[in-house]
Amino acid sequence: GAVVSQHPSWVICKSGTSVKIECRSLDFQATTMFWYRQFPKQSLMLMATSNEGSKATYEQGVEKDKFLINHASLTLSTLTVTSAHPEDSSFYICSARAGGTVNTEAFFGQGTRLTVV
Amino acid sequence: QQQVKQSPQSLIVQKGGIPIINCAYENTAFDYFPWYQQFPGKGPALLIAIRPDVSEKKEGRFTISFNKSAKQFSLHIMDSQPGDSATYFCAASKGSGYSTLTFGKGTMLLVSP
Repeated sequence: GAVVSQHPSWVICKSGTSVKIECRSLDFQATTMFWYRQFPKQSLMLMATSNEGSKATYEQGVEKDKFLINHASLTLSTLTVTSAHPEDSSFYICSARAGGTVNTEAFFGQGTRLTVV
Repeated sequence: QQQVKQSPQSLIVQKGGIPIINCAYENTAFDYFPWYQQFPGKGPALLIAIRPDVSEKKEGRFTISFNKSAKQFSLHIMDSQPGDSATYFCAASKGSGYSTLTFGKGTMLLVSP
């Protein structure tokens, strides 16, 4: 299957600093990318959807100024957690789909474990 | 409103058994139903997916059964192995490759040796 690479796999940062997470589709053009947050033993919670070249669409309750998403190319999307606080500590996962008029497979990155101290 | 209901929440089977995980959906516009497997600390990996024009799909030891009239679909794992111990998520999507996936809450499967 297609490969989505997410980096870093884990990061520890100090409270108040910003952290950038990268998501790359390695062998297909990802028209649409999704960012999820997952708490322990829970399902994936969609944070935002981004289409290449346009602004991300955020889910209700997700602060767009805190979670900055950039999808500047068909192979790269980034999530920046700005002014991180301990409550932002979580497992963040990106996903990519090739777009199109029919449902295509969604592939996930390896996830990023963020710990804010 | 939870659009995809998954059960059971957890499941323990012996090696060689056939765990069955069930999902039910409400939105009749859904037309793509994938299953994902997730190991601790990793992202979900696509296992198998089905579209509503077929009632069953098999890939290796994994089988999806789909009942359109009942709006239900299930995952069967044949000859389960300890390495299958993971969390399984069903999902549903509608319309296109731009659409979001709606996930079930997940099932933690433990296959005992």
